[in-house]
Amino acid sequence: EVHLVESGGVAVQPGGSLRLSCAASGFTFDDYAMHWVRQGPGKGLEWVSFINWEGDRATYADSVRGRFTIFRDNSESSLYLQMNSLRDEDTALYFCVKGNDNYMDVWGKGTTVTVSS
Amino acid sequence: SYDLTQPLSVSVALGQTATITCGGDDIGSKNVHWYQEKPGQAPVLVIYRDSNRPSGIPERFSGSNSGNTATLTITEAQVGDEADYYCQVWDFNRGAFGGGTKLTVL
Repeated sequence: EVHLVESGGVAVQPGGSLRLSCAASGFTFDDYAMHWVRQGPGKGLEWVSFINWEGDRATYADSVRGRFTIFRDNSESSLYLQMNSLRDEDTALYFCVKGNDNYMDVWGKGTTVTVSS
Repeated sequence: SYDLTQPLSVSVALGQTATITCGGDDIGSKNVHWYQEKPGQAPVLVIYRDSNRPSGIPERFSGSNSGNTATLTITEAQVGDEADYYCQVWDFNRGAFGGGTKLTVL
């Protein structure tokens, strides 16, 4: 069974940095692209970032480009999101999501990031 | 970014058919995917590439896509179908979600 388990979400002050991790199991990790998707309190889903299977191509939402970096370690079946210059509006539940073609077929339960002074 | 428009809420009587729309410019030329999110749970893919159901999703869930509107249809609606539903497309190497529709089964 496919499992995605996120970790690393904590409370941080504006301007701070954080790294989220996602441990994947139950599938051949380096065969698939991966995404990060977030959901602010009481809000809808917002796509954040994509990385291809090889890890050499990534794309970002305008709201995070230049501040967030997605990367992966296929040897460890792990996905990461380095988040810098955090803002209040980055407060959200962050989901690690397995990509399949251009849809997202398996979601983790998420990890909560709170940005507040 | 590509804008997707969904109604905030849809209500359906128990056992009847619910229709949730997702509007976008020439969305019919794109692949549309749908996700169901229940409170406190991770989203679940219910329709991919306009009209395909993943394994484990009931046949009551179906989708279509043409022109400027994609549609998720749920027949014989059950209380367990109450959830938020999101459409999604991939546009110029970026993901885009609709704002979500809250389905209430009366």
